Amino acid sequence: AQSVTQPDIHITVSEGASLELRCNYSYGATPYLFWYVQSPGQGLQLLLKYFSGDTLVQGIKGFEAEFKRSQSSFNLRKPSVHWSDAAEYFCAVGVTGNQFYFGTGTSLTVIP
Amino acid sequence: SQTIHQWPATLVQPVGSPLSLECTVEGTSNPNLYWYRQAAGRGLQLLFYSVGIGQISSEVPQNLSASRPQDRQFILSSKKLLLSDSGFYLCAWSVPHNEQFFGPGTRLTVL
Repeated sequence: AQSVTQPDIHITVSEGASLELRCNYSYGATPYLFWYVQSPGQGLQLLLKYFSGDTLVQGIKGFEAEFKRSQSSFNLRKPSVHWSDAAEYFCAVGVTGNQFYFGTGTSLTVIP
Repeated sequence: SQTIHQWPATLVQPVGSPLSLECTVEGTSNPNLYWYRQAAGRGLQLLFYSVGIGQISSEVPQNLSASRPQDRQFILSSKKLLLSDSGFYLCAWSVPHNEQFFGPGTRLTVL
């Protein structure tokens, strides 16, 4: 069965520090991979996606993610975090073109 | 460009009352449509998805139901709400082999 694991429930970083959010998936083939961000009381906004090709993908708001097939991972990174990045982050896997599986999310707190 | 609407934005309902949440999509045709529920501090739970008019797949057995009366309209309903139905309800759309786009959500509180 397909699954997505975000091992970090909550992460706290200082403003200006680097950030890495972890995501591992379980799927027999290479899935479509996504990272979404959710501010409190809002819907989810797509940060970036990986379908094929270059395994390092760039997204909005200065985020990037790297697909590592050997580790079944798709970790999200940002070199310098801003206070406005505080939010909930979800990793997701798309399979069969229609179905999506989400991780349980990582809550990011940014301290000044 | 495509947009997705959900209403109402917030809703407070007594236990045992009916529910109807609506989601509409503009700017695309024959989208896949999804209903998710997000409990406080939790991830997304897929409730229903639809690949076409009148085609509904249920992921979790419960007292909720979904309907798709028109191509770009997706409705979540209940005949009698339970306390456990409280949460944040998100509608999303996609086209095959692409990402999902989410609506702004509906905050439902059942008292």
